[in-house]
Amino acid sequence: GDSVTQMEGPVTLSEEAFLTINCTYTATGYPSLFWYVQYPGEGLQLLLKATKADDKGSNKGFEATYRKETTSFHLEKGSVQVSDSAVYFCALTTSGTYKYIFGTGTRLKVLA
Amino acid sequence: GAVVSQHPSRVICKSGTSVKIECRSLDFQATTMFWYRQFPKKSLMLMATSNEGSKATYEQGVEKDKFLINHASLTLSTLTVTSAHPEDSSFYICSASLSRGRWETQYFGPGTRLLVL
Repeated sequence: GDSVTQMEGPVTLSEEAFLTINCTYTATGYPSLFWYVQYPGEGLQLLLKATKADDKGSNKGFEATYRKETTSFHLEKGSVQVSDSAVYFCALTTSGTYKYIFGTGTRLKVLA
Repeated sequence: GAVVSQHPSRVICKSGTSVKIECRSLDFQATTMFWYRQFPKKSLMLMATSNEGSKATYEQGVEKDKFLINHASLTLSTLTVTSAHPEDSSFYICSASLSRGRWETQYFGPGTRLLVL
């Protein structure tokens, strides 16, 4: 079945460091891909999404490119801030369904 | 943006009792609400989908008699864990969608942590 694999955390970085959180997927059909972020005590928030191959989603300095050839959707940010500390979830949906398939989440901790 | 709340945020109960978790869309009407469960170090698993005024659709392997879902209004859905057991201890998250055709736009609540002793 469809699945999403994320790198295990926690990821600890210093402020202004470069961030990469890996995400790969397996899916039948043509999935849409998402990154959600969960700040402490809050619900999951959509960070960015891409709906077809080679699309790049971006928001708040974060980027991810839909790579069909490597079935990946890695999250990147050039310079992280302490306020980026959160749990990041990679997810997919397949065409014609409403169901999200989530990864296990990666906790990011940014130190000042 | 759209806000979804859950109550309670944390609950501890004795084995055999029932627990009700509320999910509310605070500033919009949600025709569809979703209930997820998250185990430690595991991904969120969809339990059921509920549309206002109709019966919930449960995912395979989810006991509908154990996890009762009621979506009585456009702003409220409840999940009742009946005769709770320690293995039901988990993190329960709801989400709400603005319309059936816009299921991708789901707004998530902060979650409810259930501990069954």
